[in-house]
Amino acid sequence: KAGVTQTPRYLIKTRGQQVTLSCSPISGHRSVSWYQQTPGQGLQFLFEYFSETQRNKGNFPGRFSGRQFSNSRSEMNVSTLELGDSALYLCASSWTSGGAANEQFFGPGTRLTVL
Amino acid sequence: KNEVEQSPQNLTAQEGEFITINCSYSVGISALHWLQQHPGGGIVSLFMLSSGKKKHGRLIATINIQEKHSSLHITASHPRDSAVYICAAWNTGNQFYFGTGTSLTVIP
Repeated sequence: KAGVTQTPRYLIKTRGQQVTLSCSPISGHRSVSWYQQTPGQGLQFLFEYFSETQRNKGNFPGRFSGRQFSNSRSEMNVSTLELGDSALYLCASSWTSGGAANEQFFGPGTRLTVL
Repeated sequence: KNEVEQSPQNLTAQEGEFITINCSYSVGISALHWLQQHPGGGIVSLFMLSSGKKKHGRLIATINIQEKHSSLHITASHPRDSAVYICAAWNTGNQFYFGTGTSLTVIP
């Protein structure tokens, strides 16, 4: 069974631009969560989508948004990019919603650099 | 104050040593996860537990809900165990809180 895939793997943008990242979960998984990892803040939870609905959300500004499609693929969008948005963005999929009873399967990440 | 604290931040061990990484959390949790991240970024879920103890090969994870503390033990450490180990708490408010990670280097 194929693992979680993320595209693109690397991305360079300039301040003020917007970016869309994509995540394809493991077949059969209906939950996709997004995380930001930076050297200064470590891993931080962005949000989780399940059955096309945002179920849980971390403490990020509204510039960070996402959506999930009927095939469970998910996209994350960051608008008006700031230098501090440079990070590794990871997605993870699981069978059902929430991290209380679900092992998370992580993708390889998208490394975003904002110049 | 971070909701999840890990110690130590860095750890160097000789091959074969018994290793312990500690995780303390201040939030109410539904589950605690231990993750492993190798250089290059890939993250693998090692354990998810809400009580007691779990074992997988040379890895053992324990949690004490009353004390809000979890430990990850590696028996007979090997250089391939070199990685960053991250503790993550899924709290009752439906958010993940992550520790800052423990960087482990196992020397042959």
